Amino acid sequence: SYELTQPPSVSVSLGQMARITCSGEALPKKYAYWFQQKPGQFPVQVIYKDSERPSGIPERFSGSSSGTIVTLTISGVQAEDEADYYCLSADGSGSYWVFGGGTRLTVL
Amino acid sequence: QTQLVQSGPEVKKPGTSVKVSCKASGFTFISSTIQWVRQARGQRLEWIGWIVVGSGDTTYAQRFQERVTITRDMSTSTAYMDLSSLRSEDTAVYYCAADHDDRKFDPWGQGTLVTVSS
Repeated sequence: SYELTQPPSVSVSLGQMARITCSGEALPKKYAYWFQQKPGQFPVQVIYKDSERPSGIPERFSGSSSGTIVTLTISGVQAEDEADYYCLSADGSGSYWVFGGGTRLTVL
Repeated sequence: QTQLVQSGPEVKKPGTSVKVSCKASGFTFISSTIQWVRQARGQRLEWIGWIVVGSGDTTYAQRFQERVTITRDMSTSTAYMDLSSLRSEDTAVYYCAADHDDRKFDPWGQGTLVTVSS
């Protein structure tokens, strides 16, 4: 079955840049979506269609895609960005959705 | 604003079924797709399946194929996820999310905790 692979954890100092990657074979053909989830809350979409930012999401959140890897970048990380981040995409057929394993972002 | 409101928490015994509802507002329900996702405590998000509201067509993740049924009631703009043959491993928060306009999985419902315990 199709899988999306994320690093389990990323640590970054306050104000620095954080990059979270997600790899999957179908990513060159299928859009990726990124979600932020804080403890006890439902996920919030921070990036859609690889690099689009929903209204209300701070400009420091951006997304990019290169081949089989998509990347969520948070520029100038704030304390409130500490959360779990999940990538989401469809398999090659487009019928089945898959979440990555999630990355815990720790702000030092 | 676009919103999904889910039904309240459930406690079920092993072997029984649970039905979770998801009421939509703020967007054109008939033109949307409703997704269902679950998350066990401390675990990753797991996609369960979807329903194309207008046609009623459904697609389920392979591991839930035998036990899940997703339906909708267009008269009340509500989608439902029915999971049968419950076991303790099904204890999780169940979420619905909507695909509408050019957006996928946005917004999300607030989640429904389903606890399976004897």
